[in-house]
Amino acid sequence: QKEVEQNSGPLSVPEGAIASLNCTYSDRGSQSFFWYRQYSGKSPELIMSIYSNGDKEDGRFTAQLNKASQYVSLLIRDSQPSDSATYLCAVTPQGAQKLVFGQGTRLTINP
Amino acid sequence: GAVVSQHPSRVICKSGTSVKIECRSLDFQATTMFWYRQFPKKSLMLMATSNEGSKATYEQGVEKDKFLINHASLTLSTLTVTSAHPEDSSFYICSARPREMERYGYTFGSGTRLTVV
Repeated sequence: QKEVEQNSGPLSVPEGAIASLNCTYSDRGSQSFFWYRQYSGKSPELIMSIYSNGDKEDGRFTAQLNKASQYVSLLIRDSQPSDSATYLCAVTPQGAQKLVFGQGTRLTINP
Repeated sequence: GAVVSQHPSRVICKSGTSVKIECRSLDFQATTMFWYRQFPKKSLMLMATSNEGSKATYEQGVEKDKFLINHASLTLSTLTVTSAHPEDSSFYICSARPREMERYGYTFGSGTRLTVV
């Protein structure tokens, strides 16, 4: 079982709709959870971080964490073509500083 | 704040030669930096954890004699790919974060596209 799993997609969403990205992780003791966006040929940039159960909203982005189900998601409201990218879920395992990444979900927003 | 600079952005080298990649934290001190490798359409794979003033910690399957890491100061870590071969061609990315921002996400450098011919 991979430490962090995501659906690789591609996921296609019409402009203006809500894009929903999902991620599961295997280490139940994980403490920190992150969503990164990566455009083709570029390095990842941090979109959201979440540490406790529930929702965290920042502009058009909402991260959701459910530690009991070992599940973290990212919602993008009012999707824009500029949101088209690969979204990487990353987790810090218990007792570690490093980030473990999922394989990424490729998102395409269709005008 | 929390800017990480990586250099060079692109490098082409001949098989058998060595290439050094630099990663600098510009506005903070980083006792720990991380080096990742990413193949096309794949996710980031952690290669090693670079620790200031001590030996790097390598992930399983990463050859420490081939990928030399030096973290001689609190703002600079270097990755040297020794005796490079075409299969080492990849996108190498470093990351770090300020110690006082331990609960925040890591910032990534802009990456280095290495092509070995």
